[in-house]
Amino acid sequence: IAGITQAPTSQILAAGRRMTLRCTQDMRHNAMYWYRQDLGLGLRLIHYSNTAGTTGKGEVPDGYSVSRANTDDFPLTLASAVPSQTSVYFCASSEDRGGPQHFGDGTRLSIL
Amino acid sequence: QQQVKQSPQSLIVQKGGIPIINCAYENTAFDYFPWYQQFPGKGPALLIAIRPDVSEKKEGRFTISFNKSAKQFSLHIMDSQPGDSATYFCAAWENNLFFGTGTRLTVIP
Repeated sequence: IAGITQAPTSQILAAGRRMTLRCTQDMRHNAMYWYRQDLGLGLRLIHYSNTAGTTGKGEVPDGYSVSRANTDDFPLTLASAVPSQTSVYFCASSEDRGGPQHFGDGTRLSIL
Repeated sequence: QQQVKQSPQSLIVQKGGIPIINCAYENTAFDYFPWYQQFPGKGPALLIAIRPDVSEKKEGRFTISFNKSAKQFSLHIMDSQPGDSATYFCAAWENNLFFGTGTRLTVIP
């Protein structure tokens, strides 16, 4: 079934460790996004990519980095995790920026 | 600051009732307003969307009402079913998608 695959589904991580969340889509969408979801705050955009080779900052980019080496993959890296990054992370894609976004099922990340 | 304000936080209705979820915004540059449905352990799924040149849009049992002058839009679910129990998010687009804080809907059989 076409869609977005995120890995891992959940992770517990010690503060200060480096972590990469993986996201792969097989819809050949140009645009991809990373959001974090926190209770009472909804979803907030971390970073986005309009097309392979380009990335941009969203609403809450600090402490996170992304890369977009090809169309299908859009990994999110936490260089040195902090407890405030405990959240559920969702990857999404759309055919083009501004189009309807399709979401993966998320990665639940706990930083201790 | 929350760009899209959503209410209520939670809602309980009987089967067959018509839950209404409301959202408000200030930024008049927003030009696309989607609603997402999210079940526990799953990602949000696009339910229905509207652009500001239309005052109402229906898809099946779901209707968006849009009031451009009041900068408000709402989701109505007709003949609600227990399977509609989920969290609903409104959102608005201007360069990025800004989400409301979500409404947890419970439909009692």
